[in-house]
Amino acid sequence: DQQVKQNSPSLSVQEGRISILNCDYTNSMFDYFLWYKKYPAEGPTFLISISSIKDKNEDGRFTVFLNKSAKHLSLHIVPSQPGDSAVYFCAASWGGYGNKLVFGAGTILRVKS
Amino acid sequence: NAGVTQTPKFRVLKTGQSMTLLCAQDMNHEYMYWYRQDPGMGLRLIHYSVGEGTTAKGEVPDGYNVSRLKKQNFLLGLESAAPSQTSVYFCAAHDSNQPQHFGDGTRLSIL
Repeated sequence: DQQVKQNSPSLSVQEGRISILNCDYTNSMFDYFLWYKKYPAEGPTFLISISSIKDKNEDGRFTVFLNKSAKHLSLHIVPSQPGDSAVYFCAASWGGYGNKLVFGAGTILRVKS
Repeated sequence: NAGVTQTPKFRVLKTGQSMTLLCAQDMNHEYMYWYRQDPGMGLRLIHYSVGEGTTAKGEVPDGYNVSRLKKQNFLLGLESAAPSQTSVYFCAAHDSNQPQHFGDGTRLSIL
């Protein structure tokens, strides 16, 4: 049973436009949510996170929104750049920030120039 | 990904062979993790450690063993490799209230 789901395997966006990556979860015990970015042949790199007590967190071009009632979060990238092309993983944890992450399957983002 | 180093980067094994994957971190972090990533799936937790001398099972521990004899090293062992263990293995480390920091992975193929 997948506790964290990323239902869109891929997304293609024009440079300069907004990229929206979505993630759904089933376990209401999750208290932190994190987004990781992964380039080929490299490990995942931390991007941004949000606590379950917040509904928005922003860091530069990246904003994460959390809707607890819908058990849904999204990552917005504005404006999208070609260097943002990568696989984006949504991850969740409980019992402490960053502990024992549960990952979604990932979404491949392609930003076209 | 400076800070977490995985050895080797690639390896091909025959069914039934054994091997050990090494993860070394130079950040003095308490927590260390081993994940595997398979096509179309997210990373899944194999084993983890909350400090030197401690280990615990994750979501998919069967067929693997781990040891954390030194704080900076976390070893993942396959005693008798099976084709189902063909995967990319990632190690991660972090301290409390910090995100996990990952190594670049070990690509393992078992024939």
